Amino acid sequence: KNEVEQSPQNLTAQEGEFITINCSYSVGISALHWLQQHPGGGIVSLFMLSSGKKKHGRLIATINIQEKHSSLHITASHPRDSAVYICAVGFNNDMRFGAGTRLTVKP
Amino acid sequence: KAGVTQTPRYLIKTRGQQVTLSCSPISGHRSVSWYQQTPGQGLQFLFEYFSETQRNKGNFPGRFSGRQFSNSRSEMNVSTLELGDSALYLCASSLGNHLDSPLHFGNGTRLTVT
Repeated sequence: KNEVEQSPQNLTAQEGEFITINCSYSVGISALHWLQQHPGGGIVSLFMLSSGKKKHGRLIATINIQEKHSSLHITASHPRDSAVYICAVGFNNDMRFGAGTRLTVKP
Repeated sequence: KAGVTQTPRYLIKTRGQQVTLSCSPISGHRSVSWYQQTPGQGLQFLFEYFSETQRNKGNFPGRFSGRQFSNSRSEMNVSTLELGDSALYLCASSLGNHLDSPLHFGNGTRLTVT
């Protein structure tokens, strides 16, 4: 069983839609990271959070430590948001990754 | 500030050879962590170096090793290459522990083993 589960695996949206990607984990963590990977491989760190909520532009990340769950929201989605979004958790001197959510935003 | 630089970008090796990949972190960052990404296994953590010491290590065989220099630049080495080592290798730098500090990734080195 994976320690980190993401849903959905794939997501297609129309431009302007509100998007939610979910991440559940089964271990005690020190922090949770949301990463964005575009075709070609480069990874950008979007958020690192250990409690509460963070916002950056159209992106919002929340975490519920008691429920071991985090969500990444994208408001007013745009085709340039098309990418793979990966959740990662740090625990026990290790880091584990979700399988990623492939998001396609159509104009 | 310059970002994280990984060299080379692409590498082709044959089975049994060894390979060394390089990562230059953002100036002032003392932590460098390494990751392997394959289509089958996704992203996996290899190891982290901080102030020239390996601080954390993932579940990889001893053929995978690394080091960090006094200027925080890091190298990882894979010996006796296997076909399954074909992957995108990414490094990231951070100010503190990679587990709970914002990460800054390089563009990766794509290794193909034939």
